Amino acid sequence: QLVLTQSPSASASLGASVKLTCTLSSGHSNYAIAWHQQQPEKGPRFLMKVTSDGSYSKGDGIPDRFSGSSSGAERYLTISSLQSDDEADYYCQSWRTGRVFGGGTKLTVL
Amino acid sequence: EVQLLESGGVLVQPGGSLRLSCAASGFTFSSYAMTWVRQAPGQGLEWVSTVSDNGMRTYYADSVKGRFTMSRDNSKSTLDLQMSSLRAEDTAVYYCARDPFGIIDYWGQGTLVTVSS
Repeated sequence: QLVLTQSPSASASLGASVKLTCTLSSGHSNYAIAWHQQQPEKGPRFLMKVTSDGSYSKGDGIPDRFSGSSSGAERYLTISSLQSDDEADYYCQSWRTGRVFGGGTKLTVL
Repeated sequence: EVQLLESGGVLVQPGGSLRLSCAASGFTFSSYAMTWVRQAPGQGLEWVSTVSDNGMRTYYADSVKGRFTMSRDNSKSTLDLQMSSLRAEDTAVYYCARDPFGIIDYWGQGTLVTVSS
């Protein structure tokens, strides 16, 4: 069964960088994932797709401060030069027959 | 510009039925699978259903299987979600999403469904 695991929370200072992690369950380490951002009181927004080889492709208008990478069963979202409006929930998502979401990471910008 | 506009969310009694719709524009609708995702108050994202680009295949989460039916009209670029036997736990914001090859790449703004007596 495909399961995506995320830490419930993360924090970093304004202007710093943060790396969020999404871990794929055993047997699914070659799966690609998507990262989605959900700012408070807003709908989700697609950020990027990250593949098992670490390549990533971003959605329309996503700033260069956002990047993706991979290592084994882990998929990463790195946000550099943190801004106040990066404070949001971040979800990873993948698929088999259905679609699967991680539980989300709430990012606090200090 | 890709746009997805959901409608139909209302307050409905337990056991009732409701149809949500999603109007798509800005892309070749018939070339993409489409997906519904919901979010209960204060909770994370939950996949509900996906329909293939030609409408021939549909997939449902176990939590809605047998109660929800997803369909599409490629001639009108619209998506529907027929919901029946609604329960309190179906209360959520429902999002329509474009879903090429399993990765959601565009989201609608959502429509709120409240199931309560």
